[in-house]
Amino acid sequence: DIQMTQSPSSLSASVGDRVTITCRASHTIDNFLNWYRQKPGEAPQLLIYTTSNLHSGVPSRFSGSGSGTDFTLTISSLQSEDFATYYCQQSFVTPTFGGGTKVEIK
Amino acid sequence: QVQLVQSGAEVRKPGASVKISCKASGYIFTNYPIHWVRQAPGQGLEWMGWINPGTENTLYSEKFQGRVTLTRDTSATTVFLEMTNLRSEDTAVFYCARDPTFNDYFDSWGPGTLVTVSS
Repeated sequence: DIQMTQSPSSLSASVGDRVTITCRASHTIDNFLNWYRQKPGEAPQLLIYTTSNLHSGVPSRFSGSGSGTDFTLTISSLQSEDFATYYCQQSFVTPTFGGGTKVEIK
Repeated sequence: QVQLVQSGAEVRKPGASVKISCKASGYIFTNYPIHWVRQAPGQGLEWMGWINPGTENTLYSEKFQGRVTLTRDTSATTVFLEMTNLRSEDTAVFYCARDPTFNDYFDSWGPGTLVTVSS
């Protein structure tokens, strides 16, 4: 299996802040990297697929970049609904998820 | 619109089996794989396997191979997950999720089914 490591595991931020979350794969995964947001008590929601493609209906404040083993999710201006846990997921081989990054209110 | 509706919460004793369902609507059921992902309380996401409803082909995570079976009923546009020999560490929310392109990412998710394993 390919192991996915996210950092940080948690962070505190304020509304309007720029937030960056990183995800590292244990082996190269080309650009087969996806990002999800999970609000408390809800199912995950797809934000970005294949590194940088914004899923339909997702606000443009979300963006993704990277290739190979290192990837980044950026939220340009944090909104109240963005306080949640974020997961990366590789789809290069049988899917695996990162451990999650919890974004909390400062 | 795409909708995945899952069956209700279940409670089982260790060693028992459980079968939960995921009913799809709003799209052509046989055109898109359905994956299952579980989440233990307070933990992260764990991929379990997928089924192609069009062909009934399946692929399982090695961790669950032999203990999990995915099936489908095309007339009911429903996918089923059966898990046997349950243990306490199987207590989790089980999500079904649609794969829009056969590329193993998930654009629509069900609300989840809580399975509690307790003596």
